[in-house]
Amino acid sequence: QQQVKQSPQSLIVQKGGISIINCAYENTAFDYFPWYQQFPGKGPALLIAIRPDVSEKKEGRFTISFNKSAKQFSLHIMDSQPGDSATYFCAASEAGNTPLVFGKGTRLSVIA
Amino acid sequence: SAVISQKPSRDICQRGTSLTIQCQVDSQVTMMFWYRQQPGQSLTLIATANQGSEATYESGFVIDKFPISRPNLTFSTLTVSNMSPEDSSIYLCSVREVGEAFFGQGTRLTVV
Repeated sequence: QQQVKQSPQSLIVQKGGISIINCAYENTAFDYFPWYQQFPGKGPALLIAIRPDVSEKKEGRFTISFNKSAKQFSLHIMDSQPGDSATYFCAASEAGNTPLVFGKGTRLSVIA
Repeated sequence: SAVISQKPSRDICQRGTSLTIQCQVDSQVTMMFWYRQQPGQSLTLIATANQGSEATYESGFVIDKFPISRPNLTFSTLTVSNMSPEDSSIYLCSVREVGEAFFGQGTRLTVV
């Protein structure tokens, strides 16, 4: 059973556009919702994370929107750039020193 | 944020042999997590390593195949034993620090 469902699998966005990636979860004990960016040959890098006590968090061009009642969260990349082309993973974990459960990833291509 | 160093960064190994991957963290952490990322796939948790006790393995992963050591609060090793081509993956270690989750750059293993 997949605990975190991520969509779409792939996404093509024009330079300057908005990239939106969605994730849904089932486990109401999840307390931490990070997004990771991964370039080929590299480990995943923490991009931005949110906890369920807030509905939105913004860091530069990256925004997480969180809907606790719907058990959904999404990543918005504003003014998308070719350098943003990478695979993005959402993840979730319960409170404390616990491991992450990952979505299947979204391959983003930003074209000029 | 925690800085995680993994060695080797990549290796090509013969089937039937073993490879030990090292993970060094720049701060003391209670738990260290080992993940596998098969080609084009998401990250799957192999095991959780707690200093001073046996590692806890996820379903589908066994200690004989993936023995883990955790001799102190900053270091861990994962051994991939009796390798087959199906073990070709990226292996990543991860830690939680101040609630956030960080990853090393990974070890890209190719078994021939």
